[in-house]
Amino acid sequence: QVQLQESGPGLVKPSQTLSLTCTVSGGSISSDAHYWSWIRQHPGKGLEWIGYIHFTGTTYYNPSLKSRVTISLDTPMHQFSLKLNSVTAADTAVYYCARRGGTYSFDYWGQGTLVTVSS
Amino acid sequence: QSVLTQPPSVSEAPRQRVTISCSGSSSNIGNNAVNWYQQLPGKAPKLLIYYDDLLPSGVSDRFSGSKSGTSASLAISGLQSEDEADYYCATWDDSLNAWVFGGGTYLTVL
Repeated sequence: QVQLQESGPGLVKPSQTLSLTCTVSGGSISSDAHYWSWIRQHPGKGLEWIGYIHFTGTTYYNPSLKSRVTISLDTPMHQFSLKLNSVTAADTAVYYCARRGGTYSFDYWGQGTLVTVSS
Repeated sequence: QSVLTQPPSVSEAPRQRVTISCSGSSSNIGNNAVNWYQQLPGKAPKLLIYYDDLLPSGVSDRFSGSKSGTSASLAISGLQSEDEADYYCATWDDSLNAWVFGGGTYLTVL
């Protein structure tokens, strides 16, 4: 059973960089069929796709966030990471990591981690 | 304003059937597969339907999905109290080059 777990600071100051890591267990991070994703949910709101990375290093980002986002992969550590720079209060959200599987759906999700942007 | 339009809320009595709609356009629902997710309060979303109408292993067959043109629907039959949750549709948008989600629909089981 694939499991994903987010980790990282729960509080980030405005203008700084938000950094999160997702650790994958129970499955290979190097599968050709899978894309390793970040999705966020503002408090009381809907879901917003941030982007994802393939094990080859190919990345796809939401155009609305692309200028501030970097997603990277650490295959030996079975981890992938999110960096979002120049954050503001509008980036306060629960951040989920998820797997986009071969069925073109997000089939496994982490539990989510709340990141608050505040001084 | 979400690219995919869902009603904010629906409600129905136990043991009844409810449908949740998701309206899009030719660049998203009209040209790509739709997924549905269930999000219980305080929990991560869970995949309910993929490829418009397929159920992942372990998902109850009380859930079903359909699609016609630029709209999709999720139906839940035999409603139970544990079905109270937010439900989201999602698909790829060819114009935006991004995954897009509906705004979510909260189901109340009366």
